Amino acid sequence: DQQVKQNSPSLSVQEGRISILNCDYTNSMFDYFLWYKKYPAEGPTFLISISSIKDKNEDGRFTVFLNKSAKHLSLHIVPSQPGDSAVYFCAASGGNDMRFGAGTRLTVKP
Amino acid sequence: ETGVTQTPRHLVMGMTNKKSLKCEQHLGHNAMYWYKQSAKKPLELMFVYNFKEQTENNSVPSRFSPECPNSSHLFLHLHTLQPEDSALYLCASSRTTSGSTDTQYFGPGTRLTVL
Repeated sequence: DQQVKQNSPSLSVQEGRISILNCDYTNSMFDYFLWYKKYPAEGPTFLISISSIKDKNEDGRFTVFLNKSAKHLSLHIVPSQPGDSAVYFCAASGGNDMRFGAGTRLTVKP
Repeated sequence: ETGVTQTPRHLVMGMTNKKSLKCEQHLGHNAMYWYKQSAKKPLELMFVYNFKEQTENNSVPSRFSPECPNSSHLFLHLHTLQPEDSALYLCASSRTTSGSTDTQYFGPGTRLTVL
């Protein structure tokens, strides 16, 4: 039962362009959403989060959008840089429960 | 050292072996977690400890046995594992589990291969 889904296993973007990573969830009890970034041989690193009372949160080049009615969130990276190449995990939490998506591998080409 | 550390980073074991994974956090957190990361699958939560007490066990087989002697250390004892248990095992910590907004900080993981 996958409550958090990242339907694109991979994404390739040209440097300088926008990267858009998508995430869908099914549990309406989730009220806090996070994106983690993972480089090879390292653990996931927290990137940005958003509470369900907001629909947008911005931190530098990273913006997370939340559409509660569609149970959908997205991470926008602009402009994309080669150092952004990593696996990005979406996570959703509610109460003491946290679920992760399977991840999307982003490759930013110079 | 800072953050969350895990040892060993790589482990190869036979199905009859007994081994232990170790996690240590230097963040002053009270909650610690074990996750399993299999290829192309979501992170699977295995165990949660809050103030050294186990608060969640996500139907994990008994061949995985966690131990949390204090808030800074977490172990995962392994015995009679199966090849399908081969995965990346990640430890994480957070201030507490009482709020859904508590960010989890992850260790680098232990890459386990069961032959």
